[in-house]
Amino acid sequence: EVQLVESGGGLVKPGGSLRLSCAASGFTFNNYNMNWVRQAPGKGLEWVSSISGRSSHTYYADSVKGRFTISRDNAKNSLYLQMNSLTAEDTAVYHCAREGEQWELLTWGQGTLVTVSS
Amino acid sequence: SYVLTQPPSVSVAPGRTARITCGGNNIGSKSVHWYQQKAGQAPVLVIYYDSDRPSGIPERFSGSNSGNTATLTISRVEAGDEADYYCQVWDNSSDRVVFGGGTKLTVL
Repeated sequence: EVQLVESGGGLVKPGGSLRLSCAASGFTFNNYNMNWVRQAPGKGLEWVSSISGRSSHTYYADSVKGRFTISRDNAKNSLYLQMNSLTAEDTAVYHCAREGEQWELLTWGQGTLVTVSS
Repeated sequence: SYVLTQPPSVSVAPGRTARITCGGNNIGSKSVHWYQQKAGQAPVLVIYYDSDRPSGIPERFSGSNSGNTATLTISRVEAGDEADYYCQVWDNSSDRVVFGGGTKLTVL
């Protein structure tokens, strides 16, 4: 069974940093591009970032470019999101998602909540 | 940047057909994917490549895409279909995943 489990969320002050992790199982991790998608409370889905299977390509939403860094460790079947210079607008549930051949997001984790507040 | 436009809400009686639209410039030239998100849960892919269904998704869910509009159609709507629905594409001009704003489906 394909599973994605996020961790690392929590309460952080404005300007602070946080590193999210996503543990993957049930599929050959390095064969798939992976994504982070967030959802602010009561709002819609917002794509954050994606990374290719061997980390050769990374993409970012304009709202996080220069502040967030996506990475992966294929030996550990893990995806990461380093988030710096956080603001209240970054408050959201962050989901990791496995990507298919036409950028469809095949499988999603349940998400981890990030709250940025003083 | 590429914009996808969805109606904020659609209401339908049980047993009837719901149609949720997703508008975008020449969206017919892109692959459109649809997600269902029930309250408190993670999104689930219900349609990919415009009209294909993942295993486990009922045949009542179908999709189409042409011109400037993609459509998710849910036939014989059930109470359990009540959820938020999002369309999504890859914008290759900006190398971005793009989501529509979402449509809340209410089953009357």
